[in-house]
Amino acid sequence: GNSVTQMEGPVTLSEEAFLTINCTYTATGYPSLFWYVQYPGEGLQLLLKATKADDKGSNKGFEATYRKETTSFHLEKGSVQVSDSAVYFCALPRDSGAGSYQLTFGKGTKLSVIP
Amino acid sequence: NAGVTQTPKFQVLKTGQSMTLQCAQDMNHNSMYWYRQDPGMGLRLIYYSASEGTTDKGEVPNGYNVSRLNKREFSLRLESAAPSQTSVYFCASMRRGGSKNIQYFGAGTRLSVL
Repeated sequence: GNSVTQMEGPVTLSEEAFLTINCTYTATGYPSLFWYVQYPGEGLQLLLKATKADDKGSNKGFEATYRKETTSFHLEKGSVQVSDSAVYFCALPRDSGAGSYQLTFGKGTKLSVIP
Repeated sequence: NAGVTQTPKFQVLKTGQSMTLQCAQDMNHNSMYWYRQDPGMGLRLIYYSASEGTTDKGEVPNGYNVSRLNKREFSLRLESAAPSQTSVYFCASMRRGGSKNIQYFGAGTRLSVL
């Protein structure tokens, strides 16, 4: 099945710093790719997604580009805020077939933003 | 907008006790999932239900059972809790179909087994 490798944290940044969280994947074909975010004490929620190669997903100032050449889907934000402190998960379908209903998640990267 | 609702939010059990974690979704989704989250391990799938009436094992099913009661509800049962089952448990649901394959998560159940 498909798999994902995500940079390990924790990552600590000052407010307004630039953020990159690396994610690379191994997959058959070109499945959709996702970034989920988990705020303290909450469940995961979708942050952004890209459904095909060269797509750019964006939300709340975060961006990630589906790059098939490097099999990567790195998460970036130009200026982080304290409210961005959370755990970020890269994910993709476990299998690339049309009947795939499972997601495979990276181990998560904890981001702490300090004022 | 309730989304995915999990109960209870917190639970402490003694080794050998049993309990059922409840999950309900109001989005008319076909598929439902149970995950556990442990430090450094990410999310691991315990069981899932692709549609009403079906359930399948995930990555770490041992020690758990599930019931898809109806389209809305998917429960997870620990028959004889063990300290290794101390974890945070998340339920999720998804409406299948192309780019709509997005999973929605509940807030989690924090379980401690002593």
